[in-house]
Amino acid sequence: DGGITQSPKYLFRKEGQNVTLSCEQNLNHDAMYWYRQDPGQGLRLIYYSQIVNDFQKGDIAEGYSVSREKKESFPLTVTSAQKNPTAFYLCASSTASSGNTIYFGEGSWLTVV
Amino acid sequence: ILNVEQSPQSLHVQEGDSTNFTCSFPSSNFYALHWYRWETAKSPEALFVMTLNGDEKKKGRISATLNTKEGYSYLYIKGSQPEDSATYLCAPPARQLTFGSGTQLTVLP
Repeated sequence: DGGITQSPKYLFRKEGQNVTLSCEQNLNHDAMYWYRQDPGQGLRLIYYSQIVNDFQKGDIAEGYSVSREKKESFPLTVTSAQKNPTAFYLCASSTASSGNTIYFGEGSWLTVV
Repeated sequence: ILNVEQSPQSLHVQEGDSTNFTCSFPSSNFYALHWYRWETAKSPEALFVMTLNGDEKKKGRISATLNTKEGYSYLYIKGSQPEDSATYLCAPPARQLTFGSGTQLTVLP
């Protein structure tokens, strides 16, 4: 079945370590996105990519990095520069056309201790 | 970026009650609005795409209306059931990339 796969679902890391969250889609979508959710808050955009080898910062990109070497993959690295990395992270994808619906992965919980 | 606001932030209703909540957005430069349902431990899933002023969409007991001139969309749930408990999000098309903070609905049995 087509969809978006995020891994790992739960991740614990020590403060100061970089962490990479995986996102893979087999929907043949051009665009991919990373969102963060904190308790009691809405989804905030970290990075997005409209096409392979290109990506743009979202509202809260500081302390994060991404790559888009393949159409189906958009990994997110949470670096040690991210001051409050503990959160729920959602990856999503969509077609590049206007009016497009976003399809989401099931999310990754990151806890930094 | 098109900013959207949703209200109320959370809502508790009894099983069988009907309910509604609001998504507000700037009426200028409007293109389309999406509604999503996000159940706990699952991925958000698309409910409706609203594009035209006066649009009304329906899926079972859930329906949505759109007023682009005044900049709002309503989501209605008729005869709420516990399985309707979820966070309901609205958002413009993906390119504009901004979600509302959602309305968290809890339906009590």
